Amino acid sequence: GENVEQHPSTLSVQEGDSAVIKCTYSDSASNYFPWYKQELGKGPQLIIDIRSNVGEKKDQRIAVTLNKTAKHFSLHITETQPEDSAVYFCARGNKLVFGAGTILRVKS
Amino acid sequence: NAGVTQTPKFQVLKTGQSMTLQCAQDMNHEYMSWYRQDPGMGLRLIHYSVGAGITDQGEVPNGYNVSRSTTEDFPLRLLSAAPSQTSVYFCASSSGTAYNSPLHFGNGTRLTVT
Repeated sequence: GENVEQHPSTLSVQEGDSAVIKCTYSDSASNYFPWYKQELGKGPQLIIDIRSNVGEKKDQRIAVTLNKTAKHFSLHITETQPEDSAVYFCARGNKLVFGAGTILRVKS
Repeated sequence: NAGVTQTPKFQVLKTGQSMTLQCAQDMNHEYMSWYRQDPGMGLRLIHYSVGAGITDQGEVPNGYNVSRSTTEDFPLRLLSAAPSQTSVYFCASSSGTAYNSPLHFGNGTRLTVT
């Protein structure tokens, strides 16, 4: 169906290490894949998005990869910092279905 | 630039009461939507609107009503509150079609129904 599976549900990394969060989907019609970061007490905020005509997109320490054949996309955060600690959500168009979220903790 | 503004921030209701969650945006976005966020379930779409006078149901619309009389405002009404509606509610808006444009979220309303 329309669900987006997101893994892992929690992730703890040491400051400076990389973090990877993966999402899988089943709707072949999806062509837009955003990632949102939610800090405590706030609404989610877009950090990066990718469209189906590209396989990878980078923005400084953040990158997203998309494999449309396998129907999965991943968020990569390099050189993690304590301020990266938050909940991260993947989503997929068309009706923007969200994954369940990943709690990322960066230990200093 | 305020973006998306939600009021109130917190609300406690008794079962059976009704109330309206307010949402306003000042970005002239045509698309607006309401989500509820529950632990372990991500964000689920309640209702959405692609422009003034047009609304449609999302994934979990039961027990909620919306209207869109202006581009700026998109209130969410709980008709008869139930404990199952205890949640954090987010309003979001977007330019373009929203299915391929970023959503701008408010900071949420935390609702408790006793």
